[in-house]
Amino acid sequence: DVKVTQSSRYLVKRTGEKVFLECVQDMDHENMFWYRQDPGLGLRLIYFSYDVKMKEKGDIPEGYSVSREKKERFSLILESASTNQTSMYLCASSLARRGGTQYFGPGTRLLVL
Amino acid sequence: AQSVTQPDIHITVSEGASLELRCNYSYGATPYLFWYVQSPGQGLQLLLKYFSGDTLVQGIKGFEAEFKRSQSSFNLRKPSVHWSDAAEYFCAVPSYSSASKIIFGSGTRLSIRP
Repeated sequence: DVKVTQSSRYLVKRTGEKVFLECVQDMDHENMFWYRQDPGLGLRLIYFSYDVKMKEKGDIPEGYSVSREKKERFSLILESASTNQTSMYLCASSLARRGGTQYFGPGTRLLVL
Repeated sequence: AQSVTQPDIHITVSEGASLELRCNYSYGATPYLFWYVQSPGQGLQLLLKYFSGDTLVQGIKGFEAEFKRSQSSFNLRKPSVHWSDAAEYFCAVPSYSSASKIIFGSGTRLSIRP
């Protein structure tokens, strides 16, 4: 069974902290994605990686960075967390082809105080 | 600009009633089209996908969707909903700019009346 796991389901951090969100997939997928989900705004793409050490900015990359050192792992980093980064964060992976199904992790709900 | 529109933010239907969730898209060529479902507190799961052939697509959990090119629509239907169908539903199309990226609609939240 395909699986995308995220390191935490719930996370509480303070303003200014550096935050790491980890995502691991076991499907040998080339592509990995980080989305942010907020009520009424749907899913917004933060960053996308199409290969190890390769990344591409999404629609809302400001305040975030990513790391992909191994094919199965994609990390989202909040360099200095702010309250407006309180949100649900979803990781996904897919094969590298048009129309490839994206497989999602369960999400991390982050609260920044 | 490329877009996916789900005009209904929230729909409530009675258990056992039929359901139709609307989706309209803008895309230059014949698109791939997706419906995903997100149960409360969970990630998204693919319900069904259209990429060619028969315009009526069958998915999991008894859902189906019909691609209508003339209307740029891909509406999701189910003949009889169950309480477990309460969830948020997202329509999506691939991005012009990158074959692997997907553009999601803003979602429709479905509530089920007992």
